[in-house]
Amino acid sequence: QQQVKQSPQSLIVQKGGISIINCAYENTAFDYFPWYQQFPGKGPALLIAIRPDVSEKKEGRFTISFNKSAKQFSLHIMDSQPGDSATYFCAASINANAGKSTFGDGTTLTVKP
Amino acid sequence: NAGVMQNPRHLVRRRGQEARLRCSPMKGHSHVYWYRQLPEEGLKFMVYLQKENIIDESGMPKERFSAEFPKEGPSILRIQQVVRGDSAAYFCASSPLQGSNQPQHFGDGTRLSIL
Repeated sequence: QQQVKQSPQSLIVQKGGISIINCAYENTAFDYFPWYQQFPGKGPALLIAIRPDVSEKKEGRFTISFNKSAKQFSLHIMDSQPGDSATYFCAASINANAGKSTFGDGTTLTVKP
Repeated sequence: NAGVMQNPRHLVRRRGQEARLRCSPMKGHSHVYWYRQLPEEGLKFMVYLQKENIIDESGMPKERFSAEFPKEGPSILRIQQVVRGDSAAYFCASSPLQGSNQPQHFGDGTRLSIL
């Protein structure tokens, strides 16, 4: 059962554009929603995270929008740069489960110069 | 920069051999998680350990796979009698405190290839 569904699978954006990646979850017990950035040959690195009591969180060019009623959350990358080209994963976890995360299948972002 | 250290970075084994993957958590972290990543897929949780204890192994295959985190030394993920389907990237993450609000820091993984 796919508990966290991520789309699109791949995304091509021009430099300076906005990249939008969406995730939907099924388990309403999830209470922590991180996004990870992964470069080839490297491990995932935490980018930004949100809890369900907040509808939006912004850190620099990265924003998470969270819609609790729709069970959806999204990552927006403003002013996308070629250096942002990477694979992005959304994830969700339940505090009671001691932090183990359920990941989406990833979005490969390519930002063209 | 004492991040999560995994070794080896690449491991090649023949079918039927054993694979041992090591993970040293970040300094001060006592919680370790192992994930498996197949090509074009996200990470799948395998096991969560604290020092000398397995807390949650719900994602670990029942046979051939085992994990430990001894009082001294790194955490070890052990795969016995490897098969081609075990080929994947295995990532370890660590966190300082229990609970989902403590960010997990990932190592750069071990790429396991089965011939």
